[in-house]
Amino acid sequence: EPEVTQTPSHQVTQMGQEVILRCVPISNHLYFYWYRQILGQKVEFLVSFYNNEISEKSEIFDDQFSVERPDGSNFTLKIRSTKLEDSAMYFCASSEIFNLAYGYTFGSGTRLTVV
Amino acid sequence: ELKVEQNPLFLSMQEGKNYTIYCNYSTTSDRLYWYRQDPGKSLESLFVLLSNGAVKQEGRLMASLDTKARLSTLHITAAVHDLSATYFCAVDSDSGGSNYKLTFGKGTLLTVNP
Repeated sequence: EPEVTQTPSHQVTQMGQEVILRCVPISNHLYFYWYRQILGQKVEFLVSFYNNEISEKSEIFDDQFSVERPDGSNFTLKIRSTKLEDSAMYFCASSEIFNLAYGYTFGSGTRLTVV
Repeated sequence: ELKVEQNPLFLSMQEGKNYTIYCNYSTTSDRLYWYRQDPGKSLESLFVLLSNGAVKQEGRLMASLDTKARLSTLHITAAVHDLSATYFCAVDSDSGGSNYKLTFGKGTLLTVNP
């Protein structure tokens, strides 16, 4: 069964450092997303990406965040200057835009710890 | 803004018992998803409900959707310990121009005791 792959599984970084979280969506999916989940809390939408541009972003997705699809397979989330409150599990997801019957497939997540 | 409310948020039940988790949402949508999450793990898709009256069953879990009432239920029959996890409902919404995204409920932490 096709999977969404995320790397790394766990990243520890110092406050103020830049981090890049990587995702390989399912190959025939056209819509890509990042969600985050602070420990013990609900899953929150960050950003959606379609046709090489951001479709929608949440209030959380401020100027410190950016997304990119650099090479047609990877989909990255960059946090420019990490804060303690960025510590969370970050999930990448992808979907077939015209066939939402299959829903959204989530990756295994990257646990980001900012110290 | 779409709001998704789940209840209960915490559910402790004995093996063999039945229970229902409820998911209410605030705006019109006819696509609702249920996910399971084990501690520290990803979101595993359980059910995709795409129309009013949709009912799906897998093992001891059954999900239904009433779009008119904006309500979905996840019913657990004869619970077993392996069902212990956090269950999330999520509602799909289109903010315009086919910009779809999921809005999640807070999750229900289910603990099944022997």
